[in-house]
Amino acid sequence: NAGVTQTPKFRVLKTGQSMTLLCAQDMNHEYMYWYRQDPGMGLRLIHYSVGEGTTAKGEVPDGYNVSRLKKQNFLLGLESAAPSQTSVYFCASSRRWSGYGYTFGSGTRLTVV
Amino acid sequence: SQQGEEDPQALSIQEGENATMNCSYKTSINNLQWYRQNSGRGLVHLILIRSNEREKHSGRLRVTLDTSKKSSSLLITASRAADTASYFCATVHTSGTYKYIFGTGTRLKVLA
Repeated sequence: NAGVTQTPKFRVLKTGQSMTLLCAQDMNHEYMYWYRQDPGMGLRLIHYSVGEGTTAKGEVPDGYNVSRLKKQNFLLGLESAAPSQTSVYFCASSRRWSGYGYTFGSGTRLTVV
Repeated sequence: SQQGEEDPQALSIQEGENATMNCSYKTSINNLQWYRQNSGRGLVHLILIRSNEREKHSGRLRVTLDTSKKSSSLLITASRAADTASYFCATVHTSGTYKYIFGTGTRLKVLA
């Protein structure tokens, strides 16, 4: 079982560049999420999706856009990267009901210089 | 803002000892979950406790929930070096939005 796969695993961007992080899950989960993790801050929710074609804002959505064109994929875009977006990004997915845990990907370490 | 706050921030114990970490949260919840994160890896779901439950066990893990105090504790018994990791609590509100809010984590180090 692949579970949740994130690509790329590492990336260095220059300020102002754009990029897309891809998250793919093969568990037929309805819900998908993007979090960022910074030292001492825990995980903060950027955007999430409760189904194909739907997206919603989390705690820290500014500077990011997302799309869920297919149920198994959830894309996170940075239109104009800033140093403040240097972080580790985690994608997660879950079943419809909140009583199940999340399955996390292994993360993308992004550095913006 | 974070919903959950773990305490202590860091904990160092000897192999074989028990490790206890606590989580406090701010608003009424539907359920609470604990996750483990090994260095450089994603989070792994450990255990879920619902708001109408007071205690739950899974192997060497014991979780308690006190909704009157808005707090939960995770006990790892007979710890092993492999338990070295960060542990996070995550809560989902009773508002019905199915997104978990994570705490800042407890870094556990188990010394062999």
